Order: sequence, then C-alpha cells, then structure tokens
Amino acid sequence: AQSVTQLDSQVPVFEEAPVELRCNYSSSVSVYLFWYVQYPNQGLQLLLKYLSGSTLVKGINGFEAEFNKSQTSFHLRKPSVHISDTAEYFCAVKLGGYQKVTFGTGTKLQVIP
Amino acid sequence: DAEITQSPRHKITETGRQVTLACHQTWNHNNMFWYRQDLGHGLRLIHYSYGVQDTNKGEVSDGYSVSRSNTEDLPLTLESAASSQTSVYFCASSELAAGELFFGEGSRLTVL
Repeated sequence: AQSVTQLDSQVPVFEEAPVELRCNYSSSVSVYLFWYVQYPNQGLQLLLKYLSGSTLVKGINGFEAEFNKSQTSFHLRKPSVHISDTAEYFCAVKLGGYQKVTFGTGTKLQVIP
Repeated sequence: DAEITQSPRHKITETGRQVTLACHQTWNHNNMFWYRQDLGHGLRLIHYSYGVQDTNKGEVSDGYSVSRSNTEDLPLTLESAASSQTSVYFCASSELAAGELFFGEGSRLTVL
C-alpha cells in the first residue's frame, strides 16, 4: 500500500520569500502525485499533478513541484509567496490503475507580512 | 458549472442518533469518495464507490455506511453516532482515468 509523509506540520515564511513544502511517498509501483490546497473553511482544490513525462510540474498560483523517483519525493516550491498563499497544503498519491488517493497529514503555510 | 455539494454544512447531534450526510455531484463522475479530516491525520478515506450499486470500505469505515443508487449521489450514514465521529467530512468525485479529485465544501459534524 502507498503512504505519504509530510514532515512539516507548519511552515512560517515571510512574504515575498521562497518556500518549499516537503513530501515523500512510499510505493513499489508507479504512482501519480498531487498537491492540493485548502483555504480556511473550504474544500480542497488541485494545485498541480504529476502523471508522467517531465518531472518538473507547474501548477496554479505560481507553484511548482519536482518529481524525484530516486528519492521518492515530490516537494512543492514557490519562489515568492504572497499573503493569500496562507493555507494548508496536502500531498497525495494514487497508484497507477487504481482510483483511491492517499493523503499526507498536511502542512500549514503561514505567510508573515 | 458542474459542482459537488454537501449538506448539511454544519450539524450537531447526540450520541446514538442516526445521521446522514448528503453528497450530490453534477460532474457525471463514476467515482465518489467520502473522507474525514481530523487534526494530525489529514484526510482519511471512509468509503468509496466506482459506480452505481458499487460501494467499498476505506481505511476508517467502522460505524459508517454508504449506498449508491444513481451516479449523482453518495449519502454517508452514521448508524449510531459516537463522539469519536466528530469531524469534518468531505465528499469528492473523480473521472475514471485522470485521478484528480473534486471536493465539496465539507460538512462539520459534532456529536455530543
């Protein structure tokens, strides 16, 4: 079975600074990887996804992530954060051929003015 | 625009009562899922369905049931609510191949 680890439960960062949110997964087969964002009192929405092809994936709101198969990682990055990026971010993994998605425990990004 | 709606958005109930949370999607997706979100646990899968008349247990299915009589709806029932089921519940749907989940806005359930 697949699993997802988000080691950082909270990440404070100053506005306009870069940020990296870490995600590691474990699976012995091919996977699809996702990052979702949850704003307060809302459901989750997709930021970006890796299905195949280029390992650098660009998403909405200036976020990008890099799939690293050898390190089983899919870290999320943004070169300059904005106050509006304050939210909780979830990494998720889906095995190829299956529809179930497994989520990490989430990382709360707090952007400090 | 297609959407996924949950109701009620907030509910307070007492231990032992039956509760049903509704989920309705207009995406025409085959796959539907129920998750619960708790601090420190992220989202955990309760039940899921790959189509009409199909239901499957997720990792935290005890005390919950679902039924799928049409494509659009997957209601979640708590047969006898327990305080441990106080949580925020999210319904989601997806297309067969793409895998991206589309979420409702959640139902906050408090069991006293």
